[in-house]
Amino acid sequence: GAVVSQHPSWVICKSGTSVKIECRSLDFQATTMFWYRQFPKQSLMLMATSNEGSKATYEQGVEKDKFLINHASLTLSTLTVTSAHPEDSSFYICSARTYVQPLAGDQETQYFGPGTRLLVL
Amino acid sequence: GENVEQHPSTLSVQEGDSAVIKCTYSDSASNYFPWYKQELGKRPQLIIDIRSNVGEKKDQRIAVTLNKTAKHFSLHITETQPEDSAVYFCAASEGGFQKLVFGTGTRLLVSP
Repeated sequence: GAVVSQHPSWVICKSGTSVKIECRSLDFQATTMFWYRQFPKQSLMLMATSNEGSKATYEQGVEKDKFLINHASLTLSTLTVTSAHPEDSSFYICSARTYVQPLAGDQETQYFGPGTRLLVL
Repeated sequence: GENVEQHPSTLSVQEGDSAVIKCTYSDSASNYFPWYKQELGKRPQLIIDIRSNVGEKKDQRIAVTLNKTAKHFSLHITETQPEDSAVYFCAASEGGFQKLVFGTGTRLLVSP
């Protein structure tokens, strides 16, 4: 269980175009999805937190008008990189949070999608 | 906000040896600490996690310990195998089960 898919797995585009990336939770409802960016040999940097039915919360330094996030349902969030430039080339990974309530109390776990490798020429 | 530091950045061991990766965090309110394994070009995979109400958790060859007073937690892998080679990330939750803040990663290489 707790499978997260991402599409496309890789994309090459020209500078100035927009690219949409989809993140889906396949077998659970995700009230919250997260979008990360990872440059080669670096850690995961959180870009934004996406809650179903509300506006995304962006991390400091992330341009919300450039990275548009839509979380229209409990199983789908999209990230659109608008007017992409070569410096936007990176590995974009989403994660979805599933709510698990064991006997001991409330707990949550994030599961990651396979990532989308974006190359802007 | 939360800040997570991870050491070492690279770790080379011989097959069968143990490997230990350490992380420290800054926010005493953090209460969830997962560890992820990421192979080259692939997604991070959750391998073990620990909540602040326990001090140690074990799953076969993998264990995690948490010292809330010192604000550090460690990943222990025993009887390492070549397939354990990957980048390992620790993380801490900020603000109580909210967003995760990741460490810088440790590249583990297990030589046969």
